[in-house]
Amino acid sequence: RKEVEQDPGPFNVPEGATVAFNCTYSNSASQSFFWYRQDCRKEPKLLMSVYSSGNEDGRFTAQLNRASQYISLLIRDSKLSDSATYLCVVESNAGNMLTFGGGTRLMVKP
Amino acid sequence: EPEVTQTPSHQVTQMGQEVILRCVPISNHLYFYWYRQILGQKVEFLVSFYNNEISEKSEIFDDQFSVERPDGSNFTLKIRSTKLEDSAMYFCASSLVTGRSTDTQYFGPGTRLTVL
Repeated sequence: RKEVEQDPGPFNVPEGATVAFNCTYSNSASQSFFWYRQDCRKEPKLLMSVYSSGNEDGRFTAQLNRASQYISLLIRDSKLSDSATYLCVVESNAGNMLTFGGGTRLMVKP
Repeated sequence: EPEVTQTPSHQVTQMGQEVILRCVPISNHLYFYWYRQILGQKVEFLVSFYNNEISEKSEIFDDQFSVERPDGSNFTLKIRSTKLEDSAMYFCASSLVTGRSTDTQYFGPGTRLTVL
């Protein structure tokens, strides 16, 4: 079983749409969870951390379900500039190793 | 905003040659990392480094790889005898501390290594 699993997509959505991505992780001892964004041939950039209580940052909402080992990201009112690959990332309880999912590609069309 | 820098942006080498990839982490950060991403694949952890020693490494990080912090600013990854399968984008990252979700790892722009 893959450690962090994501639907690779692509998700093709029109501007203004709401889109949701899901991710599952296998290590129940994982401590920290993140969504990173990666543009083509660029470095990953932190989009947001994910907390058990759920958290929101503008148009982005992240949720964590520890019992199901499931993480989600919701993007509302999609913009053209949201087109990228979204990486689900889990940090082990050893503290400093990030495990990346394969990413979900989003394409927002005019 | 402070950022991680990496040089060179692209390195082309012959199989069997040694390469050194360089990184300048964010100045007050204490933890340093190397990751790699083979084209079309996921980002993979290689090694983490703290207090002048390796704190964790993956099974990818074999005897051909080494890391060093030769001075107060640079953090290097050396591949002793490159193989074709070492061709990838290598990302350096740094964080202030670790173990808490608020302590973000910031990534550099990467070095694209091409082994011929």
